[in-house]
Amino acid sequence: DVKVTQSSRYLVKRTGEKVFLECVQDMDHENMFWYRQDPGLGLRLIYFSYDVKMKEKGDIPEGYSVSREKKERFSLILESASTNQTSMYLCASTFQGYSNQPQHFGDGTRLSIL
Amino acid sequence: AQSVTQPDIHITVSEGASLELRCNYSYGATPYLFWYVQSPGQGLQLLLKYFSGDTLVQGIKGFEAEFKRSQSSFNLRKPSVHWSDAAEYFCAVGSSGSARQLTFGSGTQLTVLP
Repeated sequence: DVKVTQSSRYLVKRTGEKVFLECVQDMDHENMFWYRQDPGLGLRLIYFSYDVKMKEKGDIPEGYSVSREKKERFSLILESASTNQTSMYLCASTFQGYSNQPQHFGDGTRLSIL
Repeated sequence: AQSVTQPDIHITVSEGASLELRCNYSYGATPYLFWYVQSPGQGLQLLLKYFSGDTLVQGIKGFEAEFKRSQSSFNLRKPSVHWSDAAEYFCAVGSSGSARQLTFGSGTQLTVLP
């Protein structure tokens, strides 16, 4: 079974802090994704990466950056956390070139910015 | 651009009753369609997927979905709901030729009454 592991289930940070959310997958997937989930809005794509050091903006990249130095790891960075970034963050992965393949999700990180 | 609409924000059914969750999509070509389920505090789990062929798709946990091109719909059904089915359900459409892959609906929250 594919395993997507997010480093923290719950995280509390303060406004202005630099925040790192980590995601690791064990299936050698090329594509990795970061979503933000808010009630009534579903999942919104923040960034995705289709290879090491490659990234593309999703629908809501403002205030976020990402890093993919190794194939199995994809990090989401909040450069200067703000209260409107309080949310559930979900990481996912899948094989590249197979757009009919389902994405595999981690359990999410619930982030609170105080 | 592709889009997904789940018109029902919240549905309540009694245990043992039948269930239908609605999903409408907008996409220019033949879509790849998915249903995911999210239990409280968890990530998303794939229930079923449609790529081509038989328009009635069977999934896990006794769920099925029917693709209707003429109605641009992909509704999820279950003949008899169990209390453990209480969760949030997301419909998603995939785009071929794009690493971004999935666009999600806003979700339908299912409550099951004893």
